[in-house]
Amino acid sequence: SQKIEQNSEALNIQEGKTATLTCNYTNYSPAYLQWYRQDPGRGPVFLLLIRENEKEKRKERLKVTFDTTLKQSLFHITASQPADSATYLCALDRGDGGFKTIFGAGTRLFVKA
Amino acid sequence: DVKVTQSSRYLVKRTGEKVFLECVQDMDHENMFWYRQDPGLGLRLIYFSYDVKMKEKGDIPEGYSVSREKKERFSLILESASTNQTSMYLCASSSSGGRALNTEAFFGQGTRLTVV
Repeated sequence: SQKIEQNSEALNIQEGKTATLTCNYTNYSPAYLQWYRQDPGRGPVFLLLIRENEKEKRKERLKVTFDTTLKQSLFHITASQPADSATYLCALDRGDGGFKTIFGAGTRLFVKA
Repeated sequence: DVKVTQSSRYLVKRTGEKVFLECVQDMDHENMFWYRQDPGLGLRLIYFSYDVKMKEKGDIPEGYSVSREKKERFSLILESASTNQTSMYLCASSSSGGRALNTEAFFGQGTRLTVV
């Protein structure tokens, strides 16, 4: 069956360090992958989209990689700040041309001052 | 500022009640979605709509129905609420791009539904 895995354990890092979050998937050939940020009690907010033919995408302090051979995406936050503390979700299309998307359960990030 | 607005932040309903969750978007988006979010399970797609009066089942449609009579409004209906439908419900919209995720999705603030 199709599956997305994100680190279920929370990630704790020190302010100023780079946070790296992982999204692995199986049994898909997605054309797109997105990352969202979700704060407690709120809806997810879109951060970045990367396509299958793109290896890397950057936006300010954020960087996403997409390795279709490893079936993995890495999400990096450089120079992390306490305000970056949130849950980060990855989402993929199913590669079938349809509208159904698959979301990971998310990884909780805590950035300590 | 673009917005997806869900009618309630918190709802408490009794088992067997018919429950309506309303979602309105002001971005003229073609696509609208209903998800539920449970701890450890991520967001799961219940239903989506790609046009007025058009709808398709997501991964967990059982026990739910939807209505889209106007482009800006997408309603989720729990025909007979049960305790296992206690969850956070999230509505989202996106512009038409021909594929699920080639445009960003905008989410509402969520409705936390408790069925007792």
